[in-house]
Formats: sequence, structure tokens, C-alpha cells
Amino acid sequence: DVKVTQSSRYLVKRTGEKVFLECVQDMDHENMFWYRQDPGLGLRLIYFSYDVKMKEKGDIPEGYSVSREKKERFSLILESASTNQTSMYLCASSLQGSYEQYFGPGTRLTVT
Amino acid sequence: KNEVEQSPQNLTAQEGEFITINCSYSVGISALHWLQQHPGGGIVSLFMLSSGKKKHGRLIATINIQEKHSSLHITASHPRDSAVYICAGDNYGQNFVFGPGTRLSVLP
Repeated sequence: DVKVTQSSRYLVKRTGEKVFLECVQDMDHENMFWYRQDPGLGLRLIYFSYDVKMKEKGDIPEGYSVSREKKERFSLILESASTNQTSMYLCASSLQGSYEQYFGPGTRLTVT
Repeated sequence: KNEVEQSPQNLTAQEGEFITINCSYSVGISALHWLQQHPGGGIVSLFMLSSGKKKHGRLIATINIQEKHSSLHITASHPRDSAVYICAGDNYGQNFVFGPGTRLSVLP
């Protein structure tokens, strides 16, 4: 079974702090994705990566950056957290050419 | 107008009832996915379909490409089916376009 893990289930940070969210997958997937999920809006794509050191902006990249130094790990960085970044963050991965994504358990981030 | 819409937003049913959740989309997609999200956040894939109908246990998913519409049916619903059901359009494996989700509560 594919396993996608995220570093924290719950996180509370203060406004202005730098925040790192880590995602690790154990199935050698090429593609990795970061989404945020807000009530009434569904999941929205922040960034995705097709390979090591590659990144592409999704629909809402503002205020975020990403890092993919190793194939199994995809990090989401909030350079200066703001209250409007309070949300559920979900990581996913998929095989190149596959239409099926596997999701992590999510990190619920609260910025106060 | 969202590219992927779902109805209803919220649904409460009694155990044993037949449930239908609808999804319509306005974008070109290569496949339509149904996902289930339980309380706590984890998302699992239920179906991926590009035509016709698929069945898995008590779950049935259908898609009408011409009408750009898909439905998810749950037969003999059970409280453990309580979850958020999300449909998503797949743009040829590049990324997903998600619907807002339907929150289902099945009461014993």
C-alpha cells in the first residue's frame, strides 16, 4: 500500500513565523502535490512537482514556496505565516502517467 | 461559477436508505474521480471513471460524458458511510479540479 505521511496532524503558529510542512511518500512516485482545503471551497492546488528539484505553481501559490530535494519528500514553506493561511493542508503523490493520487492524512494549521 | 459543482452540499439519511450525490463539471477532463474524506482529514480514492459505470460493494458511480455529469450512489447506507464525498475532474494527469464536497451523515 502506498503510504503518504505528513509531519504533523495539528500545528499552531504565530503570525509572522516561518512554517515548514513536510510530506513523505514511500512508493517512489514522481509527482507530488500540496493542497489546502477550506470549507465551501474544496481543495485548491498550491504547488506541485514532477521530479526532484522541479516545481510548478498551482492555483493559489501566493505566500507559499516549496522544496523537493529528494524524490520522496516534498516540503511546503510559509515564509511569514498569516491568519488567512489557517487551513487544512493535504499532500498527495502519484506515479508519472497515472491519474490516481494518494493523499496524506492532512495537517490542520492554525495561525494566531 | 465553480468548474466542478456538487449537490447536495449536506445530506442526512437514515441507515438503510439509498443515497445519491451528484457532480457536474464545466471543464474538459480525462477522468472523473470520487473521493471519500473521513473526519480527521484522510482522503481515499473510491472510483476513477471516464465512461459508463463502476461498482464496488455498495457503491456505484456513473458518468455521462455528453451531459458532463456524474453520480455516486450508496445502497443500504450505514453510519460508517458518514463522510465528505468529493468529486474531482482530472486534467490528463496534470492536476485535479475539485468540487466543494458533499457532507453525508447516516443516522442509525
